Amino acid sequence: SQTIHQWPATLVQPVGSPLSLECTVEGTSNPNLYWYRQAAGRGLQLLFYSVGIGQISSEVPQNLSASRPQDRQFILSSKKLLLSDSGFYLCAWSVYSQETQYFGPGTRLLVL
Amino acid sequence: AQSVTQLDSHVSVSEGTPVLLRCNYSSSYSPSLFWYVQHPNKGLQLLLKYTSAATLVKGINGFEAEFKKSETSFHLTKPSAHMSDAAEYFCVVMDSSYKLIFGSGTRLLVRP
Repeated sequence: SQTIHQWPATLVQPVGSPLSLECTVEGTSNPNLYWYRQAAGRGLQLLFYSVGIGQISSEVPQNLSASRPQDRQFILSSKKLLLSDSGFYLCAWSVYSQETQYFGPGTRLLVL
Repeated sequence: AQSVTQLDSHVSVSEGTPVLLRCNYSSSYSPSLFWYVQHPNKGLQLLLKYTSAATLVKGINGFEAEFKKSETSFHLTKPSAHMSDAAEYFCVVMDSSYKLIFGSGTRLLVRP
C-alpha cells in the first residue's frame, strides 16, 4: 500500500531564516505531487504541483519554491521566511491528475 | 469557474444523534466531489468521493453523501454521531484542470 511521509512535524523558525520541508511517497511510481498551505481557520490553498521529476508548477506568487529531485520526493523551500509563511503545510499525492489526492500528516510551521 | 460553499462553519450535535453537514457547489459540468475529514493537527483523510456513478455515495466510518444535481448540493450525513467524529470536514470540488477547490470547512462538535 502507499504511504506518504512529511517532516518535520513541527518547526519554529525566526523571520529571515531558510526553510526546507520534505515529503516522500512510498509504494507508487511517478505520482503527481502537491504542496498545500492551510492558514489558521482557513481552507487549503494549492501552492505547487508536480507531474514528474524536475517539473514544478506554481499556483500563487510567493516567497516559497518547490523542487522534485527524485520521483517520490517533493521539497518545499524558502531562502528567507516571512511571518506570513506561518501555517500548516500539507503534501499530497495522486496517481493521475484526475484521481483522488491523498494527504500526508502535515508540517506545522511557526515563523517568529 | 468551480466553487464550493459549506453553509455552516460550526455544527454541534449530541452523541448518538444524526449529523448533517451541508455543501453546495457551482460547476458548469458534472463535477467530481469529495469530502475530507481533518482531526486536530492531522492531515486530511478521504471520507468519500462522487465521480458521476451512483448519486448516493457511501464512505468510511458510516458517513454518506448524496449528489443532487437539481439542488447543486452534496451534503454529508451520518445516522448516529460518535465522539470520535469531532473534527473539521471539508467539501471539495475538482475543477476542469483537475485541481481541488476546498470549501472553508465545517467544524463538528459532538456533545456527550
